[in-house]
Amino acid sequence: QKEVEQDPGPLSVPEGAIVSLNCTYSNSAFQYFMWYRQYSRKGPELLMYTYSSGNKEDGRFTAQVDKSSKYISLFIRDSQPSDSATYLCAMSARGGAQKLVFGQGTRLTINP
Amino acid sequence: KAGVTQTPRYLIKTRGQQVTLSCSPISGHRSVSWYQQTPGQGLQFLFEYFSETQRNKGNFPGRFSGRQFSNSRSEMNVSTLELGDSALYLCASSIGRAVQETQYFGPGTRLLVL
Repeated sequence: QKEVEQDPGPLSVPEGAIVSLNCTYSNSAFQYFMWYRQYSRKGPELLMYTYSSGNKEDGRFTAQVDKSSKYISLFIRDSQPSDSATYLCAMSARGGAQKLVFGQGTRLTINP
Repeated sequence: KAGVTQTPRYLIKTRGQQVTLSCSPISGHRSVSWYQQTPGQGLQFLFEYFSETQRNKGNFPGRFSGRQFSNSRSEMNVSTLELGDSALYLCASSIGRAVQETQYFGPGTRLLVL
């Protein structure tokens, strides 16, 4: 069993919809949680960075971490076609430049 | 400020050969990490370098090695290439190793082993 599980999708939604992306994990040592977005033929770019449990909001993006359930989520409001990409969750036990453990990535398509 | 750069962007090799990939971190960044991305296994951590020293290593065979130079540039080497080494190799840099710092990824080198 992988340390981090993420449904690879693909997920297709209409423009303007609220998108919910999720990951579960098994390692209780994880304390730092990230969401990356990766466009085709590009490297991942950091979207959200959260420490421990709680919510964090940045524009149309909201990240939630529930350590008790070992479950993290990324919500995208008012989704746009430009949001079409693969979304990867990542976690680490010690943060910073330490080893990141990634989910498989969810391929998301926003249809105009 | 320029982002992380990786060279070459694409590479084709045959089984048994070796390959060297290069990564230039963002100016001022001293930590460099390498990851392998494949459709089957996703993104997997290879190793991390800081101040020319390997600080962390993933679960990859000894055929995978790396180094970091005094200017923070890094190279990774794969010897005796196997078909399964075909992947996108990503380099990420961060200012240091502190908890609140994040990693910035380059565009990757796509390696195809025939």
